Amino acid sequence: DAKTTQPPSMDCAEGRAANLPCNHSTISGNEYVYWYRQIHSQGPQYIIHGLKNNETNEMASLIITEDRKSSTLILPHATLRDTAVYYCIARGSTLGRLYFGRGTQLTVWP
Amino acid sequence: EAGVAQSPRYKIIEKRQSVAFWCNPISGHATLYWYQQILGQGPKLLIQFQNNGVVDDSQLPKDRFSAERLKGVDSTLKIQPAKLEDSAVYLCASSLVGGQGPSGNTIYFGEGSWLTVV
Repeated sequence: DAKTTQPPSMDCAEGRAANLPCNHSTISGNEYVYWYRQIHSQGPQYIIHGLKNNETNEMASLIITEDRKSSTLILPHATLRDTAVYYCIARGSTLGRLYFGRGTQLTVWP
Repeated sequence: EAGVAQSPRYKIIEKRQSVAFWCNPISGHATLYWYQQILGQGPKLLIQFQNNGVVDDSQLPKDRFSAERLKGVDSTLKIQPAKLEDSAVYLCASSLVGGQGPSGNTIYFGEGSWLTVV
């Protein structure tokens, strides 16, 4: 499974868009990009995933570059409840495990 | 839909004692995972089950950790004897099947069991 690189911390004003970057330059063709987040004292929560195309759901949007070497998670209108550690993971298709790095601590301030 | 259930939520034990954590996955989920998360780090996979069989336990410290999923549903993770460095959150997760299919096959996590070894 490919490794991912994320900034250790970011902050964002409430109501503004939060754009969280992730580099996965060694990702293989059958690996999906997954995003999870973990709010303090809780288990990781699934946000979104994608392979090649950009994806959007009720929580966020995922933009994957054409060469698939990087992606951006977008929270369109961040709230205080979005303060969490966000993990970007390249998930292999065969065994399907999730290997977590240290993630990005996103702090949303009022 | 009920989520992944774990118990106990919190446990404090002395070193060299034993402890067991229980997990009940989402109904119908064949694949079950145990992760260990040390403070300030991301979760680390310990073991993966497919039904009642072990798919991968390469990261499980087998001298002190054991896990079972006898009937292919709920699972128990045991630590005996515990060390100070075992203080962590133990997360259970489940998915419909192993692997990543086109439909996603999302992995869902429980709230975790917090262990403090003193």
